[in-house]
Amino acid sequence: QKEVEQDPGPLSVPEGAIVSLNCTYSNSAFQYFMWYRQYSRKGPELLMYTYSSGNKEDGRFTAQVDKSSKYISLFIRDSQPSDSATYLCAMIRDDKIIFGKGTRLHILP
Amino acid sequence: NAGVTQTPKFRILKIGQSMTLQCAQDMNHNYMYWYRQDPGMGLKLIYYSVGAGITDKGEVPNGYNVSRSTTEDFPLRLELAAPSQTSVYFCASSYRGDQPQHFGDGTRLSIL
Repeated sequence: QKEVEQDPGPLSVPEGAIVSLNCTYSNSAFQYFMWYRQYSRKGPELLMYTYSSGNKEDGRFTAQVDKSSKYISLFIRDSQPSDSATYLCAMIRDDKIIFGKGTRLHILP
Repeated sequence: NAGVTQTPKFRILKIGQSMTLQCAQDMNHNYMYWYRQDPGMGLKLIYYSVGAGITDKGEVPNGYNVSRSTTEDFPLRLELAAPSQTSVYFCASSYRGDQPQHFGDGTRLSIL
């Protein structure tokens, strides 16, 4: 079983819809959780960083962590074509970061 | 702020040639990392460093070497380029191991 699982997509949604992106993990030692956005031909860019269960909101983005279920989510409200990118989840345990393989998201105008 | 700067952005090498991928950060981060990213395979850690003079292997170190003589710079060396090393290479840095990493925009390397 992989430590971090992420559906590769692609996920296509119409502009304005709410997007839900998810990752599951198997190791309860993970303490810190992140979401990165990666545009084509660019490096991953940090979107959200959290270390506790619950929700963290930043503009149109909400990161949710459920440690009891070993499940994290990223919600994007009022999605825009500019949100089209690959989204990678990442988690840290013992100073080691593990990345998901990323979900490709397409927002259709 | 420049953040993490990688050079060159693109490079084509012939089999057996060598080259150095440059990485510099201006955030005074202690930790630096090299990854390769292949389509559908995610990010794979090649080498990392927790400070000047200290380096360690990651998941896929074979065929690569690194050095860390200063806090700011972390070059990656390919000694004998092979087609399997065709990839996009990303350098990243963080203040501590439990902090998020910040990435450069990558070097696209093709070996023919």
